[in-house]
This record gives sequence, structure tokens and C-alpha cells, in this order.
Amino acid sequence: DTEVTQTPKHLVMGMTNKKSLKCEQHMGHRAMYWYKQKAKKPPELMFVYSYEKLSINESVPSRFSPECPNSSLLNLHLHALQPEDSALYLCASTTGETSLNEQFFGPGTRLTVL
Amino acid sequence: AQTVTQSQPEMSVQEAETVTLSCTYDTSESDYYLFWYKQPPSRQMILVIRQEAYKQQNATENRFSVNFQKAAKSFSLKISDSQLGDAAMYFCAYRDNDMRFGAGTRLTVKP
Repeated sequence: DTEVTQTPKHLVMGMTNKKSLKCEQHMGHRAMYWYKQKAKKPPELMFVYSYEKLSINESVPSRFSPECPNSSLLNLHLHALQPEDSALYLCASTTGETSLNEQFFGPGTRLTVL
Repeated sequence: AQTVTQSQPEMSVQEAETVTLSCTYDTSESDYYLFWYKQPPSRQMILVIRQEAYKQQNATENRFSVNFQKAAKSFSLKISDSQLGDAAMYFCAYRDNDMRFGAGTRLTVKP
């Protein structure tokens, strides 16, 4: 299994809602990432988890809250988002945070904040 | 900080022709990897090809090949016999610890 899955594919939420994005991989990778991608732009790193511990938080607002329940799962909890948070949210994984190997990307969740 | 520059926001190629996408990067490291990722419209980002900096031989994957010039810090992607399915955003990426992406090149393939 060389796949990173993400659910849901699409999400529309209001500014007062609470929702969660989910990411899963079964490749035994120990580093997992959340990226935000705006249209026609490269992915911007948000968080890095290494061995289920948060190792990098790229100054992301607290309305985004990551969670890594186990080595295969990565969640992103959303609360009180703003319309400018609308974007494609990508999850990725790789063998290890310090590994030079490629990152495998999920298909993303397209988030619209009304 | 490492930076990755893709100087071509858009490129166009005729089907069956060859196109080269440019990428330059800046680093003081000697050990790193370079990647080209493809992201079709509304579809998943997938790895096209990768190059280890310690390898002098240019990587090749079927119709995709790179021209890696380490001293010049250049890493271009050549797509031969272009197909309609090659139309996508192409991101050049650099990795030592962090992954850094270029701004992307949008490739259009004309039938």
C-alpha cells in the first residue's frame, strides 16, 4: 500500500463550525505533514509530526489544531476559521523527518469557509 | 534558507514534442535530494522523478529526464514525446531536512 488517503474530499463550513480533516497512511512512514495550498501556488508547510510528536509548527494560527493519534493517522481540527482559510489542505508522509526521501501526498481536502 | 526558483510560470508544448522546464535552487549543503512533482488540475500531487545530489548521472523515468548541474545549482526537467495527460502544474522541490517547493510551472499540451 503506497497510498495516503484523506477525508473528506470536500468540506464547506461556516466560521463558527468545528470540523476535522483526516489523513491516513499504512506505509510505515514516521513523519507526516500538513500543507495548505492556494490555487496556482505551491504547498505551504503547516505542521510536521515525527514519531507521533509535533516537531514543526510553522506559526500557524491556533484555529488550526493538529493531532497524531498513532503512527498511521493524522488529524487537523478546525475551529472558527476565516474565509481566507479556504484552500486545498494536503497531507503527506515520508519515511522519517530527516530522511531525504520523497514525500507521498494525499489527494487533499478542498475546504471552503463561508 | 534554501530557495527554489522556477522562472517559467507557464509553458506550452505541442503533443509529441519535447519541452524543458527550468529550476534553480540555492543551498550551501552538499547532501540533498531534488524532485519534480506533477499536479494535474484537481488531482493528486505525484512524484515524477528524483535526483540524489551525490549522483552525477542524470535521473530518467521513461519519457521524463533531468539535467542536473550541481555546480550551477540547476535541475531542469525534460519531457519527451509530450502527451495530453502531461498537462499539469509541475513543482520543483529541494530537500535536505525541509522540503522547499518552487512556485510551479503550468504546462499546457496542445493537440
